[in-house]
Amino acid sequence: QKEVEQNSGPLSVPEGAIASLNCTYSDRVSQSFFWYRQYSGKSPELIMSIYSNGDKEDGRFTAQLNKASQYVSLLIRDSQPSDSATYLCAVNSPNDYKLSFGAGTTVTVRA
Amino acid sequence: EAGVVQSPRYKIIEKKQPVAFWCNPISGHNTLYWYLQNLGQGPELLIRYENEEAVDDSQLPKDRFSAERLKGVDSTLKIQPAELGDSAVYLCASSFQNTEAFFGQGTRLTVV
Repeated sequence: QKEVEQNSGPLSVPEGAIASLNCTYSDRVSQSFFWYRQYSGKSPELIMSIYSNGDKEDGRFTAQLNKASQYVSLLIRDSQPSDSATYLCAVNSPNDYKLSFGAGTTVTVRA
Repeated sequence: EAGVVQSPRYKIIEKKQPVAFWCNPISGHNTLYWYLQNLGQGPELLIRYENEEAVDDSQLPKDRFSAERLKGVDSTLKIQPAELGDSAVYLCASSFQNTEAFFGQGTRLTVV
């Protein structure tokens, strides 16, 4: 089992819709969770971090964390063509502080 | 504030040749990561430093890869000799005490 798994893409959504991205992790004691956005040919850019159960909102992005289910998600509201990118989920555990990444989900927003 | 700086941005070498990548982390960041990213995959950790100490190098192919972080600031990742399968993007990231990590622009290596 991979340490961090993301729903396979690609995910295509119309402009203005909500894009929903999911991520599960295997290390139950993980404490820090991050979402990165990576445009084609560019390096990952941190867009959200979440440490406590519940929702965290930042502009059009909402991260949701459920440690009991070992699940973290990212919602992108009012999706724009500029949101078209690969989104990477990353998890950090106090067991090793390894900062492990999922394979990413590619999102395409259709104008 | 300057971000993580990597050089070179691109490198093309022949197989069996050596290559080195350099990374300058964000000022004050004590944790430094080197990742490898293949097309269509997420970054895979090669080595993690806490200050000048390599605390996790379990995924570093030590027969051909080496890394150092002198004085706990800049870091260099070396491959000698390079193989065709080493073609990938090499990413450096830094963080303060294992919190949010920020990436440099990456080095795209092509081995021919």
